[in-house]
Parts: sequence; structure tokens; C-alpha cells
Amino acid sequence: QVQLVESGGGVVQPERSLRLSCIASGFRFSNDAMHWVRQPSGKGLEWVAVIWYDGSVTHYAESVKGRFTISRDNSKNTVYLQMNSLRAGDTGLYYCVRDPSGSGWAFESWGQGTLVTVSS
Amino acid sequence: QSVLTQPPSASGTPGQRVTISCSGSSSNIGNRFVNWYQQFPGTAPRLLISKNDQRPSGVPDRFSGSKSGTSASLAISGLRSEDEADYYCAAWDESLSGVLFGGGTKVTVL
Repeated sequence: QVQLVESGGGVVQPERSLRLSCIASGFRFSNDAMHWVRQPSGKGLEWVAVIWYDGSVTHYAESVKGRFTISRDNSKNTVYLQMNSLRAGDTGLYYCVRDPSGSGWAFESWGQGTLVTVSS
Repeated sequence: QSVLTQPPSASGTPGQRVTISCSGSSSNIGNRFVNWYQQFPGTAPRLLISKNDQRPSGVPDRFSGSKSGTSASLAISGLRSEDEADYYCAAWDESLSGVLFGGGTKVTVL
């Protein structure tokens, strides 16, 4: 079955960097777009970034544009989120999400999330 | 920065029908599919309704979605205690070139 396993979260000081990884299995990874979605504790969902199935196109939320970079390695079934210049407002649980081709931007599968805490 | 507007809460007694609205604009709901997600405390969200009104495999038919113009709705008929959760609508926004989520609606079964 589909599995998405995130890693790389932790406690980091403001203005520092962190790289999240998500290893996918159970589906043809190279066929699907992948997203990162985050959720501050006790709050709602916020979309962060998307990368096309072949890595040719990326889009970002305004709140992270210029600081975060999404990338993927289809040979390793892995998607990454490089987070630079981190702020307290970036604190939250980061989910890796699968968006199958033709789904109408439906997030069909979610990982369990990796927690990022930005604090001095 | 939610530009998809949902009521923060909704409630009903067991067996009742509860409806959650999601209001957007022509740059998102008006020209794009709406998807709905259900989230229980401490767990990842799960896809509940896709492409406005499609139920993925395993979703009970008590859940239904609809869209009209720049608004969408999620209906839960025959409400059950296990339906207590947070519900989010989402849609691609053409102006932002990104996905927007609604602020979420907490459903309580009285």
C-alpha cells in the first residue's frame, strides 16, 4: 500500500536551515506530483509547495517563497523540502502529500508528518 | 491567509444532517475542483471528497459534496459520533498558483 515517510524535522534556531525528506513507496512515484503541507499545533492546514511529477515545475506559498525549495529524486522515490532563513511562524507539523495525476489537486495520500520547531 | 471561508464550527445530534459551506472566488472554487478532508486529533488528514462530489473508496455514502458557482458544501447525513472531526475544503487557486485550504470546521456530535 501507499506509504509516505517524512524525516528531518527537529528544533532549529531562527534564521537557520533544515532539510526535510519524504520517502515514498507503494505507487509509481515518478508519475505523481508531490506537495508539502504544514499545520501549526492546534491550527489549520497550510499548503507549502508542489513539485510536478518530473520536477519541471514548482510552486510555493507566498509565505515561504524565496526561502524554501522543493525538489525530488525519482530514482530514490524521495521528495525534499529545503528550508532556509527559518522563522518562528514556520513551526509546525510538515506533511508530505501525494497528488496523483488527474486527481484535480486531490491529496490522496498523506504521511504522518515531521515536526519542525523554530525557537531560540 | 485563508481565502476559502468555512464556518469554524458545526454541530448536530446523532442521525441529523449537517452541512458545511466553503466560500471562495472565481480564481479558485469558481473554476477548479473542490476537495474535502477529514482530520481527527493527532492524525493526518484523509481525503473525503474529491473533484467536488466524488467519494474515494472506503468513504461512507453518508458524506456528499456539491459545488455551485464560487461555493461548495459538504453534507454529512445520518450523523454519527465517529464523525466528530475537523473538516477542510481545498482548491487550486489560479491567481496564487497554489492550493488554498479553508480555515477548517470542527464538527461536534451533541
